[in-house]
Amino acid sequence: GAVVSQHPSWVICKSGTSVKIECRSLDFQATTMFWYRQFPKQSLMLMATSNEGSKATYEQGVEKDKFLINHASLTLSTLTVTSAHPEDSSFYICSATTARLQAGDEQFFGPGTRLTVL
Amino acid sequence: GENVEQHPSTLSVQEGDSAVIKCTYSDSASNYFPWYKQELGKGPQLIIDIRSNVGEKKDQRIAVTLNKTAKHFSLHITETQPEDSAVYFCAASDTDKLIFGTGTRLQVFP
Repeated sequence: GAVVSQHPSWVICKSGTSVKIECRSLDFQATTMFWYRQFPKQSLMLMATSNEGSKATYEQGVEKDKFLINHASLTLSTLTVTSAHPEDSSFYICSATTARLQAGDEQFFGPGTRLTVL
Repeated sequence: GENVEQHPSTLSVQEGDSAVIKCTYSDSASNYFPWYKQELGKGPQLIIDIRSNVGEKKDQRIAVTLNKTAKHFSLHITETQPEDSAVYFCAASDTDKLIFGTGTRLQVFP
């Protein structure tokens, strides 16, 4: 149980284009989903937190107009990288929780999406 | 906000030996401390977690200890095996989000 999937697993795009990454909770309803970015040999950095049916909360320094997050249902959140540039190349990972997050709720992580912008 | 430091950054051990990874956190309000294992090209997998009302937790070869007074927690892996080789991350829960440590690359040599 508690499986999170991401699609695609990897994507290569040209600079200036937009890329959409999907995050799905397969066997549970995720009221809260998180999006992380991980550069090579670095830790996971939280980009934003999204609750189903409401606007995402972005971390400081993350451009909300560049990284569009939609959490339209209890099983799906999408991250769209708009006007991608080479510096956006990274490993994007989502996670989900099964309840309104309180300190101590386990997050279930997806397998990640490798984005390469040429 | 919360800040989590993790040491060492790399750790090499012989198969069968023990491995210990240590983390310190800054926010005394944090009360959830998970450990994740991440293999190359994959997402993190929870291997063990501990909450602030517990000082130690064990699951087979893996154990975690928590010292709330000193604000540090440690991961202990006994009888290491080559398949334990991966990057390990600690994290601390600060209200509504996880703050991750910088990671430890563990290599277990046969």
